[in-house]
Amino acid sequence: EAGVTQSPTHLIKTRGQQATLRCSPISGHTSVYWYQQALGLGLQFLLWYDEGEERNRGNFPPRFSGRQFPNYSSELNVNALELEDSALYLCASSRGARGYTFGSGTRLTVV
Amino acid sequence: QKEVEQNSGPLSVPEGAIASLNCTYSDRGSQSFFWYRQYSGKSPELIMFIYSNGDKEDGRFTAQLNKASQYVSLLIRDSQPSDSATYLCAVNSPTGTASKLTFGTGTRLQVTL
Repeated sequence: EAGVTQSPTHLIKTRGQQATLRCSPISGHTSVYWYQQALGLGLQFLLWYDEGEERNRGNFPPRFSGRQFPNYSSELNVNALELEDSALYLCASSRGARGYTFGSGTRLTVV
Repeated sequence: QKEVEQNSGPLSVPEGAIASLNCTYSDRGSQSFFWYRQYSGKSPELIMFIYSNGDKEDGRFTAQLNKASQYVSLLIRDSQPSDSATYLCAVNSPTGTASKLTFGTGTRLQVTL
């Protein structure tokens, strides 16, 4: 069974640009979650999508947005990038309340 | 008060000893509890989950849950250097979003030779 896949692995952007991160969940998983982990810090919840709908949103500005496609894959968009957006962005998927399986993450660096 | 609290550590234990990692949570309605291991620069990996009061054992790992005290712990027996990592406690958020997990900031474990 393929795990959660994220792309790209690394992304370098300039302040003010937009970044797009992608995630494919495990087959059969309908929920996708996005987390931000800045260096040395804990996991901060960003967004939760289920069945194509945004179910919950963390305490992040509106320039963080995303969507879930009919095949349950998901995209996270970050507009007007700021230096403090540099972090590891983790996508996870689940089916029900059995815990998440995480992807390997996208390391976003804003310069 | 943070929703899920963990001591950041580092917790240092000698090889072969028992490592005890602790977590408290604030919401009494929480229903399921998870322990993740995260190596530096890597993504978290689920190692244990527990739903009911008491102990749950899986190999060298034991998860303990006490809902009355709002406390969950992870014991690692015969600790190995490869167990050195950050351990994240996660709690199912019951506020109408049953699938969403809230994570603690993690406890860094160092197993010394």
